[in-house]
Amino acid sequence: DQQVKQNSPSLSVQEGRISILNCDYTNSMFDYFLWYKKYPAEGPTFLISISSIKDKNEDGRFTVFLNKSAKHLSLHIVPSQPGDSAVYFCAAVGGADGLTFGKGTHLIIQP
Amino acid sequence: NAGVTQTPKFRVLKTGQSMTLLCAQDMNHEYMYWYRQDPGMGLRLIHYSVGEGTTAKGEVPDGYNVSRLKKQNFLLGLESAAPSQTSVYFCASSYDRQAPGGANVLTFGAGSRLTVL
Repeated sequence: DQQVKQNSPSLSVQEGRISILNCDYTNSMFDYFLWYKKYPAEGPTFLISISSIKDKNEDGRFTVFLNKSAKHLSLHIVPSQPGDSAVYFCAAVGGADGLTFGKGTHLIIQP
Repeated sequence: NAGVTQTPKFRVLKTGQSMTLLCAQDMNHEYMYWYRQDPGMGLRLIHYSVGEGTTAKGEVPDGYNVSRLKKQNFLLGLESAAPSQTSVYFCASSYDRQAPGGANVLTFGAGSRLTVL
């Protein structure tokens, strides 16, 4: 059973607009969440994280929001740029294997 | 610093053949991991190591073996390759465990694409 779910396999956003990537989780033991970004033919790279004691963390154009009651987090990218086109993985810490990844969302920024 | 280096980057095997993927990190990280990425499946943990000489099973360990004889190296072996093992394999390392209450960022290698015919 998938504990970290990214229900949108792909998302297309116009350059300059806001990109919102969503992630849901089922395990109440998860208490730290991360977003990784992956370009083709490269390994994932860390983007931003948030602890369960917070509901928002911001780093430049990237903001992650956490709603613990809904077991939902989202990554906002404002404004979206062509270089943001990539696959974004949501990940959660606290399960048996340490880090559990979602299936990823392919973000496409349209010029 | 090179970070995490994986070799080879590409490999084609026939069913039943064996091979080893090598991962090397130069960051003095204690923890190392092997993941596989398949279309629509995300990243799934195969095996991991919490230090030199240790290994542990992850989510999808069947058909793979690992060894961590040196702190900087983590080897992933396929003894008898199967088409279901066609995938992109990623090695990663971290300073500490991905423990509840905190997290240490994983540094990933660029991946090794394996095709089993």
